[in-house]
Amino acid sequence: DVKVTQSSRYLVKRTGEKVFLECVQDMDHENMFWYRQDPGLGLRLIYFSYDVKMKEKGDIPEGYSVSREKKERFSLILESASTNQTSMYLCATRGSRRAQETQYFGPGTRLLVL
Amino acid sequence: GEDVEQSLFLSVREGDSSVINCTYTDSSSTYLYWYKQEPGAGLQLLTYIFSNMDMKQDQRLTVLLNKKDKHLSLRIADTQTGDSAIYFCAEEESGSSNTGKLIFGQGTTLQVKP
Repeated sequence: DVKVTQSSRYLVKRTGEKVFLECVQDMDHENMFWYRQDPGLGLRLIYFSYDVKMKEKGDIPEGYSVSREKKERFSLILESASTNQTSMYLCATRGSRRAQETQYFGPGTRLLVL
Repeated sequence: GEDVEQSLFLSVREGDSSVINCTYTDSSSTYLYWYKQEPGAGLQLLTYIFSNMDMKQDQRLTVLLNKKDKHLSLRIADTQTGDSAIYFCAEEESGSSNTGKLIFGQGTTLQVKP
């Protein structure tokens, strides 16, 4: 079974703090994704990575950065947290060996920025 | 850009059938997916359909695909209280067969009343 873990389930931070969200997968998947989920908006892609040290912007990258130093770990960084970044953050991974391979999701981190 | 649309809420009685609908814009998508998100959890793949199929059945789940109208539906027979969740429709972004980038709908919250 694919296992995707996220470092925290719940996080409370103050405006202006630097925030790190970590995602680790154990399936040797090449592709990793960070989404945020907000009610009525579904999942919106922030960044994704298709290989170590490679990253691409998603639909809403502003205010975020990412790091992928090792294949199994993909970090999302909020350089200076703001209240509009209060959200549920979901990490996902996907292999690329089969055409019908899907994305596997972590449990999510619910972030509250005060 | 590509878009996936779903209605936000559906309420049914236990034992009835539920039908969740989705429309999408990218006719070149190879696969279309249905994910389920239970409260406080990440997304799990429920089922997927290859674009050259019209229908796929998997136990209580039936997926119908109308490529002409770009319409996808998920039917859950004999809906149970345990089916209460948010259901997301997703399509693969054009040209992303290696990375598996997905475009998600807003999610339909299914409420099952006893």
